[in-house]
Amino acid sequence: DIQMTQSPSTLSASVGDRVTINCRASQSIDDWLAWYQQKPGKAPRLLIYRTSTLQTGVPSRFSGSGSGTEFSLTIGSLQPDDFATYYCQQYKSTQFTFGPGTKVDVK
Amino acid sequence: QLVQSGAEVKQPGASVKISCKASGYAFTTLHMHWLRQAPGQGLEWMGWINPSFGGTNYAQKFQGRVTMTRDTSITTAFMELHSLTSDDTAIYYCAPGVGPFDTWGQGTLVSVSS
Repeated sequence: DIQMTQSPSTLSASVGDRVTINCRASQSIDDWLAWYQQKPGKAPRLLIYRTSTLQTGVPSRFSGSGSGTEFSLTIGSLQPDDFATYYCQQYKSTQFTFGPGTKVDVK
Repeated sequence: QLVQSGAEVKQPGASVKISCKASGYAFTTLHMHWLRQAPGQGLEWMGWINPSFGGTNYAQKFQGRVTMTRDTSITTAFMELHSLTSDDTAIYYCAPGVGPFDTWGQGTLVSVSS
């Protein structure tokens, strides 16, 4: 299986901060990477797919980049609604895998 | 829209079968995936079923312990997990698609306890 790691595991930030979350794959996944946001008690919400394509309705302050094994999710200016846990997911392999998550909390 | 069956409480060693009723799209055109999330933990992909042909692809971790089926007449997918342990306590989700999941069921809580 392709293993996914994320860093940091927790990120403390303030409203207005620029925030970057990193995701690494154990082998190349080309650009077959998605990002999700999850809030407590809710199902995950798809933010970005194919590394950098914004899902419909997702604010433009979210952006994704990377290729191969190194990827990142950036929130350009953190808003109160963005405090949540973020997961990356690869879908290159027939066995999909997720990163362990990054919790963005209030500094 | 995806509507899942209700919460379940099971004893260790038992099996659980969860349903996922799909509407609003052509049921047989998208694989139906199953995922789960244990309390306070991350997301775990369990596998998919092709509703058109019934073919399946299970995560290696669940091979031999999970069965995914579907009934196209009622546009419903099912996931059955056998030999439950306390480690299977989780919220189980269905999600159609090819990889990125933009639609999720509401989740079904399965609690395994003696």
